[in-house]
Amino acid sequence: GENVEQHPSTLSVQEGDSAVIKCTYSDSASNYFPWYKQELGKRPQLIIDIRSNVGEKKDQRIAVTLNKTAKHFSLHITETQPEDSAVYFCAADSSASKIIFGSGTRLSIRP
Amino acid sequence: GAGVSQSPSNKVTEKGKDVELRCDPISGHTALYWYRQSLGQGLEFLIYFQGNSAPDKSGLPSDRFSAERTGGSVSTLTIQRTQQEDSAVYLCASSVGMTGELFFGEGSRLTVL
Repeated sequence: GENVEQHPSTLSVQEGDSAVIKCTYSDSASNYFPWYKQELGKRPQLIIDIRSNVGEKKDQRIAVTLNKTAKHFSLHITETQPEDSAVYFCAADSSASKIIFGSGTRLSIRP
Repeated sequence: GAGVSQSPSNKVTEKGKDVELRCDPISGHTALYWYRQSLGQGLEFLIYFQGNSAPDKSGLPSDRFSAERTGGSVSTLTIQRTQQEDSAVYLCASSVGMTGELFFGEGSRLTVL
């Protein structure tokens, strides 16, 4: 079945710097790669997603890149702000269409 | 309702008792998921319902766990003979189709004493 690996598990960056989170997946049939943000005590919410027919997608300070050949995708956050502090989860759909999540990255922004 | 609704929000039970957790998805959403999130951990896939297809139960950790979805809408996750390691937040999510944005409920926090 699909396996999604996520690194790093924790990340601390200075406010204003960039943060990068990387994920790899195992199912070559995967076509959909969403990213979710979970603030403390709250439910996960979608922040950006990318499909396999696109190599990169950007939304303001957030961008995702996808390398289907290498089966890895990344989240880039530029000009980080205190409100970016949260746990971020990558995910991928499997050949059976279910969404499988990575183990999460706890991002802390240092003032 | 406007979002995914889960009940109860908190459940404390004694080891060995059965519990039922309920999820009411967004109207019209054909896909429904259950995930488990232990303290500070990731989102562990449990079960996936899509329309009238047979559910994907591959994530259920043991035969003490079961789930059903009646009429393509409300879903119930049942845990029989609860154990302390079952303590976690159980999150339900729904989406319009097979792959698309998941809308999560607030979760049901289960504590097994």
